[in-house]
Amino acid sequence: QKEVEQDPGPLSVPEGAIVSLNCTYSNSAFQYFMWYRQYSRKGPELLMYTYSSGNKEDGRFTAQVDKSSKYISLFIRDSQPSDSATYLCAMRSGGSYIPTFGRGTSLIVHP
Amino acid sequence: KAGVTQTPRYLIKTRGQQVTLSCSPISGHRSVSWYQQTPGQGLQFLFEYFSETQRNKGNFPGRFSGRQFSNSRSEMNVSTLELGDSALYLCASSWARDNTNYGYTFGSGTRLTVV
Repeated sequence: QKEVEQDPGPLSVPEGAIVSLNCTYSNSAFQYFMWYRQYSRKGPELLMYTYSSGNKEDGRFTAQVDKSSKYISLFIRDSQPSDSATYLCAMRSGGSYIPTFGRGTSLIVHP
Repeated sequence: KAGVTQTPRYLIKTRGQQVTLSCSPISGHRSVSWYQQTPGQGLQFLFEYFSETQRNKGNFPGRFSGRQFSNSRSEMNVSTLELGDSALYLCASSWARDNTNYGYTFGSGTRLTVV
């Protein structure tokens, strides 16, 4: 079992839908949680960075961390075709500088 | 502000050859990490350099090596290439090892194909 599990998809939704992307993890030491977006033929770019449990909102994006369930989510409201990309979760413990990445979920938002 | 620059963007090599990939981090960033990305394994950590010293190394064979120069630019080298080394190699920089609140800034990667 990998430390970080993420459904690769693809997840196909119509424009305007609310999208929910999720990761589960097994290492209870993880404290820092990140979401990256990767467009085709590009490197990942940081979307959200949260510490410990709770919610964080940035525009149409909301990151949610539930440490008791070892489960993190990224919600995208009013999804747009330009949101079509691969979304990777990443997380690390306080004692390590190296994040562990999920394999990524491919999202397709069709007009 | 220039981003993370990786060269070359694409590379085709033959089994048994060696290859050197280059990464120029964002100006002021002193930490450079390298990742291998494949469809099957996702992003796998290769190594991290900070102030010209390797601080962490992932679970890759000794054929994979790297270095960082005094201007923070970094290179990684793969010797005796194998077909399984075909992947997207990503360089990521951050201004400190503890990249809290900022995460990494990735380059666009070098696509290596071994034939």
